[in-house]
Amino acid sequence: DQQVKQNSPSLSVQEGRISILNCDYTNSMFDYFLWYKKYPAEGPTFLISISSIKDKNEDGRFTVFLNKSAKHLSLHIVPSQPGDSAVYFCAAGPYDKVIFGPGTSLSVIP
Amino acid sequence: GAVVSQHPSWVICKSGTSVKIECRSLDFQATTMFWYRQFPKQSLMLMATSNEGSKATYEQGVEKDKFLINHASLTLSTLTVTSAHPEDSSFYICSARDWRTGANYGYTFGSGTRLTVV
Repeated sequence: DQQVKQNSPSLSVQEGRISILNCDYTNSMFDYFLWYKKYPAEGPTFLISISSIKDKNEDGRFTVFLNKSAKHLSLHIVPSQPGDSAVYFCAAGPYDKVIFGPGTSLSVIP
Repeated sequence: GAVVSQHPSWVICKSGTSVKIECRSLDFQATTMFWYRQFPKQSLMLMATSNEGSKATYEQGVEKDKFLINHASLTLSTLTVTSAHPEDSSFYICSARDWRTGANYGYTFGSGTRLTVV
């Protein structure tokens, strides 16, 4: 049973528009959340994180929103660029061990 | 920032042989390292958590005798795939925990190892 879910396996967005990637988790005790970007045959690269004491964190073009009551987080990328095309993993868990979702493949179309 | 080096980046081996993958934290000491496996178009599956100086903690379904993990120092953890079979072919990734934390709560990943067993 997946504790971290990313229900959209893929997403296509036009360059310059907003990309919204969603993630749901089942364990209300999770209090650390991270987003990673991954290219094929490479290790994941950290993008942005948020802890349960906040509901929004912003870093440049990337913003993560956390809705604790809904056990849902989302990553917004604005504006989307072709170089953003990759697989995005969300991760959630307690401080000492996070669990990864299955990933969403984002394609940004020029 | 924290850097994790993983070696080799790819390896091909014959069935029945063993392969060792190294994971090094280059500029920090990692008391905890994690080993993941990724099948094509699938998520990162945590295989085991490795703590320096103690035995690794394996996730359910992961064979301890097949995937030997050693974390002998604060900067090095190794994963040895013993008696490799074609079904062990996969992409293996390590992550080292930098307890100085930072925005990523200390989780930094290596670049991964593509293992192909023929």
